[in-house]
Amino acid sequence: DSGVTQTPKHLITATGQRVTLRCSPRSGDLSVYWYQQSLDQGLQFLIQYYNGEERAKGNILERFSAQQFPDLHSELNLSSLELGDSALYFCASSPGGGRGETQYFGPGTRLLVL
Amino acid sequence: GQQLNQSPQSMFIQEGEDVSMNCTSSSIFNTWLWYKQDPGEGPVLLIALYKAGELTSNGRLTAQFGITRKDSFLNISASIPSDVGIYFCAGPSGAGANNLFFGTGTRLTVIP
Repeated sequence: DSGVTQTPKHLITATGQRVTLRCSPRSGDLSVYWYQQSLDQGLQFLIQYYNGEERAKGNILERFSAQQFPDLHSELNLSSLELGDSALYFCASSPGGGRGETQYFGPGTRLLVL
Repeated sequence: GQQLNQSPQSMFIQEGEDVSMNCTSSSIFNTWLWYKQDPGEGPVLLIALYKAGELTSNGRLTAQFGITRKDSFLNISASIPSDVGIYFCAGPSGAGANNLFFGTGTRLTVIP
């Protein structure tokens, strides 16, 4: 158990819909990272937050957005869903977000868009 | 852009055999990480390497940071059934960044 929790574990929805994925980092960790794992693209970094502020952005679509709240939990919002958005979405956390810090991954949310 | 290619893509081995896999990059990495992902779970860090030429062990696992800084190797000795999973190499994606760039993965199956 990494100490990172993600809800829900599974999510099935239809194209065009909007969903919110939730992540609680390990106790004391200030940085949260979101990754997408799909069959054709592998594991890809989406976005990082540090203590409520966006720190780094990766291959995140404009239809996707994230935020980190004062209690440090984070939410990833996916809107206007397409079939290709079906994937595993992982959240990871690290103490400060500095280079070289170990990231601890949650169990993921499996999203299926029908 | 950056590419991290892992080989082999998949392996089927007998329990007790040793395993070798590698990761090559199109650009230099200053840190190499090896993660394992069990089915239905998130990746778990196995070994971290911070210096070219470094050789680090974690139980039956040994990893090396290539001298050119463009490759890394992971060896598993005396494999057991719980070694089954997908092994990923990864590294920080840019200067000052901690977000990770992951390799394509090696899927390991251990036959009892």
